Amino acid sequence: AQSVTQLDSQVPVFEEAPVELRCNYSSSVSVYLFWYVQYPNQGLQLLLKYLSGSTLVKGINGFEAEFNKSQTSFHLRKPSVHISDTAEYFCAVSDPNAGGTSYGKLTFGQGTILTVHP
Amino acid sequence: NAGVTQTPKFQVLKTGQSMTLQCAQDMNHNSMYWYRQDPGMGLRLIYYSASEGTTDKGEVPNGYNVSRLNKREFSLRLESAAPSQTSVYFCASSEWRQGTDTQYFGPGTRLTVL
Repeated sequence: AQSVTQLDSQVPVFEEAPVELRCNYSSSVSVYLFWYVQYPNQGLQLLLKYLSGSTLVKGINGFEAEFNKSQTSFHLRKPSVHISDTAEYFCAVSDPNAGGTSYGKLTFGQGTILTVHP
Repeated sequence: NAGVTQTPKFQVLKTGQSMTLQCAQDMNHNSMYWYRQDPGMGLRLIYYSASEGTTDKGEVPNGYNVSRLNKREFSLRLESAAPSQTSVYFCASSEWRQGTDTQYFGPGTRLTVL
């Protein structure tokens, strides 16, 4: 079974500083990778996803992530954060080769709370 | 389009009571999912439905039942609520075909079991 580890449960950072949220996954075979963001008291929305192709993926709100197959990582980065980026971020993985009704299932990491201070 | 909607937004139950959480999507998606979110544990899959007429257990199905009423609606039932089921519940939907694996989430239901 796949697993996802988000290495930091909380990341405090000052406004306009760069940030990296780390994510490692267990599978050594093909994977689809996702980052979702959850603002306070809201549902999750997709930030970006890697399905294939370029290993550098750009998402909404200035975020980007790099897929590193050899290190089984998919770290999320932003060069300059804003107060409005304060939220919880979830890394998730799915198996594109899963058969039958298992196709499309996501396995989530534990979440990283990003707090941006003025 | 409303996307994925969930009712109710909040609910307080006593131990042993039953209730049904409702979810509907208007994106014509085949697949629907129920998750629970607990602090420090991310989202864990309770049940999912790959298509109308099918349901499968996820990671934490005990104490829950589901019904895929039609393509739009997927409900989650707690037959006898327990304090351990205090959580935030999210419904999600996706199109079940290669290359379109994005799941779209509802706003959640906050459930407290006393």
